[in-house]
Amino acid sequence: GDSVTQMEGPVTLSEEAFLTINCTYTATGYPSLFWYVQYPGEGLQLLLKATKADDKGSNKGFEATYRKETTSFHLEKGSVQVSDSAVYFCALSWNTGFQKLVFGTGTRLLVSP
Amino acid sequence: SQTIHQWPATLVQPVGSPLSLECTVEGTSNPNLYWYRQAAGRGLQLLFYSVGIGQISSEVPQNLSASRPQDRQFILSSKKLLLSDSGFYLCAWKRAGDRNTIYFGEGSWLTVV
Repeated sequence: GDSVTQMEGPVTLSEEAFLTINCTYTATGYPSLFWYVQYPGEGLQLLLKATKADDKGSNKGFEATYRKETTSFHLEKGSVQVSDSAVYFCALSWNTGFQKLVFGTGTRLLVSP
Repeated sequence: SQTIHQWPATLVQPVGSPLSLECTVEGTSNPNLYWYRQAAGRGLQLLFYSVGIGQISSEVPQNLSASRPQDRQFILSSKKLLLSDSGFYLCAWKRAGDRNTIYFGEGSWLTVV
């Protein structure tokens, strides 16, 4: 079945460092791909998404490119801030039907001043 | 604009007691509705989804049930809680139709003691 694999955390960075959180997926065909963010004590918020191959999703300085050749959707940010500390979830969903989201296990990011 | 609310935000319940978590969506009609659970140290798992009033589909066998008595109301219940029911429960909604984003509520922390 469909699955999403994320890198293990926590990822610990200093402020202004470059961030990469790896995400790969297993699916038949080309699903939509998402990054959700969960700040401490809160629910999930959509961070960015890409609905087809080679699309780049971006928001709040974060970017991710849909790579069908490597079945990947890695999350990147050039300069992280302390306020970016959160858990990041990669997910896939099909564009038809009720669109169940299949999530990775999440990667915790800790940014220190 | 559309909003989603779920409550209570936090609850501590003894083993064997009943549970009722409620979720409502405003500003849209006939949404797809979802209940997800995030167990400690694990990713998000879809529990139930609904495409209309009275239509509930279960993804995994468990000690929980869901109901949709009104178009924009989704309730998660249990008659007798187990310790393993502890976790973070998230309600979500999506506008009916393809290629629409799923949005999450604030979440409810359940601790079964």
